[in-house]
Amino acid sequence: EAQVTQNPRYLITVTGKKLTVTCSQNMNHEYMSWYRQDPGLGLRQIYYSMNVEVTDKGDVPEGYKVSRKEKRNFPLILESPSPNQTSLYFCASSSPGQTSTGELFFGEGSRLTVL
Amino acid sequence: LAKTTQPISMDSYEGQEVNITCSHNNIATNDYITWYQQFPSQGPRFIIQGYKTKVTNEVASLFIPADRKSSTLSLPRVSLSDTAVYYCLVAQGVYNFNKFYFGSGTKLNVKP
Repeated sequence: EAQVTQNPRYLITVTGKKLTVTCSQNMNHEYMSWYRQDPGLGLRQIYYSMNVEVTDKGDVPEGYKVSRKEKRNFPLILESPSPNQTSLYFCASSSPGQTSTGELFFGEGSRLTVL
Repeated sequence: LAKTTQPISMDSYEGQEVNITCSHNNIATNDYITWYQQFPSQGPRFIIQGYKTKVTNEVASLFIPADRKSSTLSLPRVSLSDTAVYYCLVAQGVYNFNKFYFGSGTKLNVKP
C-alpha cells in the first residue's frame, strides 16, 4: 500500500531535549516536505527536499533541521525544542509531475507537545 | 506569490449541495488549483485539481472562471461523513513548484 509513515504519532517532551520525527515514503517520490499545523494558521511549510541531498527552507524553518540521505526518508530534527514548537506535524511527498500541480501525499501526522 | 482566502466555516444539511469558494487574486499563469480534505487527526487528502473551466471526479466538481482569480469546490449531496476542513491550494507551477500555501481552510459542518 502506498503510504507516508511518520513516527512517533504522539510525543511529549521537555524543553531542550533533542528529538527526531521520522518520515518514510514507499512511492519512490523525489519531493518530500514538512508542515506544521496550528489552530487558525492552517498548514505552514517548514522544509522541503527536491531529491536526495537537496533541501531548502519553507516559510517557518527556525528551530528545525532536516536531512535527506536516502530517497525514502526525510527526518525532521528539533535540536533544542521549545514550547512554541508544540504543534501537529505532517510530512508529505510527491513525484515531479504531481508536485508541479500541487498533488501531495500526506502522512497521518505527529502531535508534539513541548513542556 | 499566490495566497488563498476561504471562508472560515460553513454549515450545511445532509443531502444538500455545498459550494466552497476560494479567492486567489494573484494567481500566476502556470499555477494549478488543488483542493484537499482533512478529517480530525488525519493528514490532508487530495480531492480534486484543475487549471481552468470545470473538472469533475467521483467525489467533487471544481469550477474555475476564465480569470482564474477564484475557484469553487462543489460537493454534491453531502453526508455527515463530509464534515471536515477543506483547503484550497495554489501550486506555483513548473517554475517554483516547491512553494505551497494552504491557508487556513474552511471547516464544513454537515448536520443531520
